[in-house]
Amino acid sequence: EAGVTQFPSHSVIEKGQTVTLRCDPISGHDNLYWYRRVMGKEIKFLLHFVKESKQDESGMPNNRFLAERTGGTYSTLKVQPAELEDSGVYFCASSGGMNTEAFFGQGTRLTVV
Amino acid sequence: GDSVTQMEGPVTLSEEAFLTINCTYTATGYPSLFWYVQYPGEGLQLLLKATKADDKGSNKGFEATYRKETTSFHLEKGSVQVSDSAVYFCALYNAGNNRKLIWGLGTSLGVNP
Repeated sequence: EAGVTQFPSHSVIEKGQTVTLRCDPISGHDNLYWYRRVMGKEIKFLLHFVKESKQDESGMPNNRFLAERTGGTYSTLKVQPAELEDSGVYFCASSGGMNTEAFFGQGTRLTVV
Repeated sequence: GDSVTQMEGPVTLSEEAFLTINCTYTATGYPSLFWYVQYPGEGLQLLLKATKADDKGSNKGFEATYRKETTSFHLEKGSVQVSDSAVYFCALYNAGNNRKLIWGLGTSLGVNP
């Protein structure tokens, strides 16, 4: 069974450009989470989907970040326009229920220069 | 709000040494506690977990006991191997509060042969 897949694995973009990260959760998992780790800091929650609905987006840094999960399958996280402080590793996770184990992807390392 | 404080690294040990990585938490209610590991070039993997006080999680020779009286979940291994070199993250999940993982800073462990 395929795990959580994220791509790209790395992205280097210039300040002001747009980047879209993608996450394919484990098939059948209704819950999808985005997290981010900025260098030297703890992993921080960004948002949580239940199927196609945003259950909690309290961790989204600002309105330059837009997450979607059309059809309740894969999710995208768009950063537009990117700023230097957006650099970090973006992790996606999925789970089958509210109290079950979350499975993580390998992460996307975003570098904004 | 809920928080996790984790021993800072990096930690460097010789093979077969004893490992302790300290983790304490602050949370309302009855959180579940986790240790995740990220090996070089890979995603986050669940290492072990404990869902209630006095539970001991164990996996791959690692152990951690959920101590409510000291609000701790320290990770231990009696004899580390080179293959244990990775970044270790302590995290809590509070289904009754915010329904997302709250993370420690991560501790980088290097094991020398």
